[in-house]
Amino acid sequence: SQQGEEDPQALSIQEGENATMNCSYKTSINNLQWYRQNSGRGLVHLILIRSNEREKHSGRLRVTLDTSKKSSSLLITASRAADTASYFCATDNQGGSEKLVFGKGTKLTVNP
Amino acid sequence: DTAVSQTPKYLVTQMGNDKSIKCEQNLGHDTMYWYKQDSKKFLKIMFSYNNKELIINETVPNRFSPKSPDKAHLNLHINSLELGDSAVYFCASSVRGQGLRGYTFGSGTRLTVV
Repeated sequence: SQQGEEDPQALSIQEGENATMNCSYKTSINNLQWYRQNSGRGLVHLILIRSNEREKHSGRLRVTLDTSKKSSSLLITASRAADTASYFCATDNQGGSEKLVFGKGTKLTVNP
Repeated sequence: DTAVSQTPKYLVTQMGNDKSIKCEQNLGHDTMYWYKQDSKKFLKIMFSYNNKELIINETVPNRFSPKSPDKAHLNLHINSLELGDSAVYFCASSVRGQGLRGYTFGSGTRLTVV
């Protein structure tokens, strides 16, 4: 069953601006991960945040996690045209078998 | 070298045919997965194997049969293909119990049933 719901479904910004995508989920989790998918390609793992972490950084990426609200956000700073892709959150749920449950994704377009 | 490779990349076939998709990983991972991505980009897990043993079998028609000859390979055979099977199928791998490193995905197989 679907777990994550990304918001917005689509986002269009100018190069240099920041992009923020949100993800909400329903059950308790072990960790939450963000993936990027370029058009016609497979998914690439970006960053993972554990359930006991609140914020994590990796380069221009910043992920926050609020387990009380069952939500996460992905911030891409100083966006580039090459950041154009779909972004998915995925949860590794507590008590369940090891599998990632993906949201529907946010399609980000960065205009040069 | 590609870490998770799938073949073929594209597959166009008629309804009722039987087809297979192959997946191989050279990462030394012990767990492999098949995901299906529909036309709305929604990804749903189908199967997972750990060291050749089936550990996840979601509600998938029994026309779909995975086979793992060894922990580096996970193939997907589909019998009596239907129009609704058209989708992109992704293979992925990970190390069980070490999901902290995330999954590594293949580039996908776009299946079109006509």
